[in-house]
Amino acid sequence: QKEVEQNSGPLSVPEGAIASLNCTYSDRGSQSFFWYRQYSGKSPELIMSIYSNGDKEDGRFTAQLNKASQYVSLLIRDSQPSDSATYLCAVRRGGSYIPTFGRGTSLIVHP
Amino acid sequence: EAQVTQNPRYLITVTGKKLTVTCSQNMNHEYMSWYRQDPGLGLRQIYYSMNVEVTDKGDVPEGYKVSRKEKRNFPLILESPSPNQTSLYFCASSHNGAGEETQYFGPGTRLLVL
Repeated sequence: QKEVEQNSGPLSVPEGAIASLNCTYSDRGSQSFFWYRQYSGKSPELIMSIYSNGDKEDGRFTAQLNKASQYVSLLIRDSQPSDSATYLCAVRRGGSYIPTFGRGTSLIVHP
Repeated sequence: EAQVTQNPRYLITVTGKKLTVTCSQNMNHEYMSWYRQDPGLGLRQIYYSMNVEVTDKGDVPEGYKVSRKEKRNFPLILESPSPNQTSLYFCASSHNGAGEETQYFGPGTRLLVL
């Protein structure tokens, strides 16, 4: 059974701080990793994707992947109230077209 | 504007009454998929399609049917809906379903089966 685990939160951080979101996965054959942001009542929106071990940066967002430890994380620097949303981690096995999503972590950025 | 559209956005129906939720994309994407999202269970894939006339089951296909007769459309059919199919449904599309490409989600259809 493929599993993707996330702390449901809520994770509360002050404006301007770094928010750290974590995700672990069980399938060692996983090769593609994604972070989606979902505002309440809205559809998921892709923020970052990462394939290789290490860090990948895009603006205020950094995705970190450690395949040996089977975790992927998302760092949000200079957090803004507009970052308040649920963040979904998704993992896809090599050769598969079926991503497995975690249940999401709720992030609250307070002024 | 590049987008994925779904209709209807909200639907209340009764057990056993066949329904179809339409999905259309204007980006000429080959890959389309359907998900359901339930509290505490996250987002789960129902069916996906890699191209016209090519469909395959996702993780939770029971009780659903799909068809892909045209590249832009991927309807979700519930032949005999049951209350456990009450959920929030999302259609999504991407260029080919692989790699790091962006998957675009539709706005969602909230279904209540009584």
